[in-house]
Amino acid sequence: DVKVTQSSRYLVKRTGEKVFLECVQDMDHENMFWYRQDPGLGLRLIYFSYDVKMKEKGDIPEGYSVSREKKERFSLILESASTNQTSMYLCASSPGKTGANVLTFGAGSRLTVL
Amino acid sequence: QKEVEQDPGPLSVPEGAIVSLNCTYSNSAFQYFMWYRQYSRKGPELLMYTYSSGNKEDGRFTAQVDKSSKYISLFIRDSQPSDSATYLCAMDVGTGNQFYFGTGTSLTVIP
Repeated sequence: DVKVTQSSRYLVKRTGEKVFLECVQDMDHENMFWYRQDPGLGLRLIYFSYDVKMKEKGDIPEGYSVSREKKERFSLILESASTNQTSMYLCASSPGKTGANVLTFGAGSRLTVL
Repeated sequence: QKEVEQDPGPLSVPEGAIVSLNCTYSNSAFQYFMWYRQYSRKGPELLMYTYSSGNKEDGRFTAQVDKSSKYISLFIRDSQPSDSATYLCAMDVGTGNQFYFGTGTSLTVIP
């Protein structure tokens, strides 16, 4: 019954590496989101997408980019990972124009950058 | 002032107790009110949501919204050790593309 799937649960990368975090949802949702969650800072929005190939910056987009080539898939890219990007990354989706506007989250991807 | 305020706790209760978790908010345009449960190192899981005002019950969980006071609550009856988690409130004005979160309340239910 998994609805939002994040490809990697735990990753360890080195500073400067390019990192891809993949997310797939099977609910035909319009909107998809990437958040990061850090102790004491709560959930912070990195990017969201309201349609294929469309994206909007969130509160903390610096150092990140995203790609949405298909409706069900939303990728987060760290072009050159840095230690301050060590965090829990959460993908989420919401219906958009129709349906109850609540978020469904994936299980999370815990990234450690050494 | 933050859009959504939530007491971070931690909150520790004995098994079987009634737990009350609360959030306040400042934006009167919020329409959807959500409660999530998050276990350590896992993603948030949607527990319940309410549209506009009123109460909603699901098993041991009851969600209440008081729009006049800009205050929402989650009650857990007969709390169990498996309820030990962080509880997040979240809100949306109804567009489905901008959500506001509380910082989460950490709950421990002691057997």
